[in-house]
Amino acid sequence: NAGVTQTPKFRVLKTGQSMTLLCAQDMNHEYMYWYRQDPGMGLRLIHYSVGEGTTAKGEVPDGYNVSRLKKQNFLLGLESAAPSQTSVYFCASSLGIPGLGSNLAKNIQYFGAGTRLSVL
Amino acid sequence: GENVEQHPSTLSVQEGDSAVIKCTYSDSASNYFPWYKQELGKRPQLIIDIRSNVGEKKDQRIAVTLNKTAKHFSLHITETQPEDSAVYFCAASNRTGANSKLTFGKGITLSVRP
Repeated sequence: NAGVTQTPKFRVLKTGQSMTLLCAQDMNHEYMYWYRQDPGMGLRLIHYSVGEGTTAKGEVPDGYNVSRLKKQNFLLGLESAAPSQTSVYFCASSLGIPGLGSNLAKNIQYFGAGTRLSVL
Repeated sequence: GENVEQHPSTLSVQEGDSAVIKCTYSDSASNYFPWYKQELGKRPQLIIDIRSNVGEKKDQRIAVTLNKTAKHFSLHITETQPEDSAVYFCAASNRTGANSKLTFGKGITLSVRP
């Protein structure tokens, strides 16, 4: 049981290049999320998915696209990378809505180890 | 939408002392409040959470208190140790509705001086 796995761990891109970040979870979670973390800005939600085949915009979706073709995978795409997209990207997943249900532990949101992306 | 604020951005305490980290939220409909700890270079991990129908929750050296009237909640760490040094994020959400999602604060860096 690996939990939430992100690929790659590090990447350097040139402005205008494209890439896809992969998030995989083996916990049969319905909900998956992509965040970016910048110094002094906390964790900001980019896109999220409430189930296979669904996606929705978060707080900072511009410049990113996502797909959830399989329940266990959530892909984050950058079509034309910009220096402003230099960040640490975290994927997260949860079985259901965090905080919902009689058992709080059931729907905890778990994070992957992160992908450090630099756009030059 | 929800806005979660944490102040100050850094906090330094002497080992063995207590630390209190406070968060405020804006949406009175928010009813779930988790705290995450992120050690340097690591992923955020949940350390404690609370629902709005509970005023306080404790787990060994950590506790969370909630004041719904003032719309703030606090993390209390007693008998601090160097391994408590990390960034602590609070979050809030309205857990009803299929599109419920967490809104995070900017984080507070806690340093525990040996």
